[in-house]
Parts: sequence; C-alpha cells; structure tokens
Amino acid sequence: QITLKESGPTLVKPTQTLTLTCTFSGFSLTTGGVNVGWIRQPPGKALEWLALIYWDDDKRYSPSLKSRLTITKDTSKNQVVLTMTNVAPVDTATYYCAHGPYAPGFEAFDVWGQGTLVTVSS
Amino acid sequence: EIVLTQSPGTLSLFPGERVTLSCRASQSVSNTYLAWYQQKPGQAPRLLIFGASNRATGIPDRFSGSGSGTDFSLTISRLEPEDFAVYYCQQYGSTPLYSFGQGTKLEIK
Repeated sequence: QITLKESGPTLVKPTQTLTLTCTFSGFSLTTGGVNVGWIRQPPGKALEWLALIYWDDDKRYSPSLKSRLTITKDTSKNQVVLTMTNVAPVDTATYYCAHGPYAPGFEAFDVWGQGTLVTVSS
Repeated sequence: EIVLTQSPGTLSLFPGERVTLSCRASQSVSNTYLAWYQQKPGQAPRLLIFGASNRATGIPDRFSGSGSGTDFSLTISRLEPEDFAVYYCQQYGSTPLYSFGQGTKLEIK
C-alpha cells in the first residue's frame, strides 16, 4: 500500500525559505518510471502543479516558479524535499505530494498525501 | 503554455441525475495524458480517470471519461450523494509539464 505524508512548518514569514518534506512508503524512488510530485492549493482555489522528481533524479519545475523551487530526494529515507525561497502571502496554500504515474505511460497522480497547510504571514 | 478550461464552474443537481463535465485544452492533449480527479472538502484529490477514459482502481462504473484532442468530458451516469464534490481535469506533457483546470463544483439542489 502506497502512502505519502507531508511535513513542515505551518507558519512562515515573508521572504523566508519554506522547506517541506514528503515521507513515503509502499514504493521506491529507485524503481524505473516512478516519480513524486508536489502540488499546492490556495484556500478555495484550484490545484497548481509545482515540481516533480523522477526515479533517475530528473527534475521538472513549473515555469512560473522555477527560480524559487528546488526538489530533491533521499532514497535511503524514502523522502522528497521541496524548498521554496522568498515566500510571500500568495504562497499560502495546502501543499500536497503525490505518487505517479498511475501506470507506465499514464502520467497521473494516483496516490496523494493528506496535505499540509502553510500560511505565509508576518 | 497549455491552459485547461473547465465548464461550467458550478452545477446544482439532484441525486440520481446524469451530468457531463467539460474540460477544454488550449492545445491538443494526448489521450494518454488526460486525467480527472475528485476532491471533497478537507480531503486530497482522488484519481478517477486516467488516459482520458480509463477508470482508476476502485472507481465505480457510473464514472466515465471520453474525448480527444482539445475536448474532454467526465460523465457521472447517476449522481450519488457522495459524488457532490469538485472535479478537476489534468494534463501532462506540455508546458507546464502538468496543469489542472480550475475545477467544476457539483452542488446538491
């Protein structure tokens, strides 16, 4: 059974760096084709994809946030870490990590973490 | 940049009704890379449909997906009370690598 859980600060001050950790079980990020993505959702708004890391350490970012994001993995700990620099109140959102793909060639996130709400405020 | 536009924004329906939700892409999307999710308040999204028309594991057969190119749809044949939620379409493969529509909310009438 695949599970993912996000952890990190609930409150961050503007201009600070946000670090979120996704701890997962039930799969390995060394298995070919597997990936973990980060998606966020501001309160009452739609989902926004942020970043993705593949089993082979290939990394992809949302173009609009690329300069502020870094995604890394620690396969020994079964963790994926997302850092976002220079946060602002507009970054207030629930941040999700998710497993993909559903099946080889079908790029959808089939299992999601519960999400963690991050508030950016002074 | 590819944009997914979902319509309508909100639908008010009775349980038992049939509904079709629309997702229109600004550029062609491969069927393989179009998915639908359901999200209930306070919960993470749940994958319903992958590859435009394939139900994910455990999804009831009242949910079906169809479409190709730039026009995709999700149909719920007979609404159950637990189906009232927000539905998102998602594409993969263009710029940005993934993107979601703005969602369609199904409300109980």
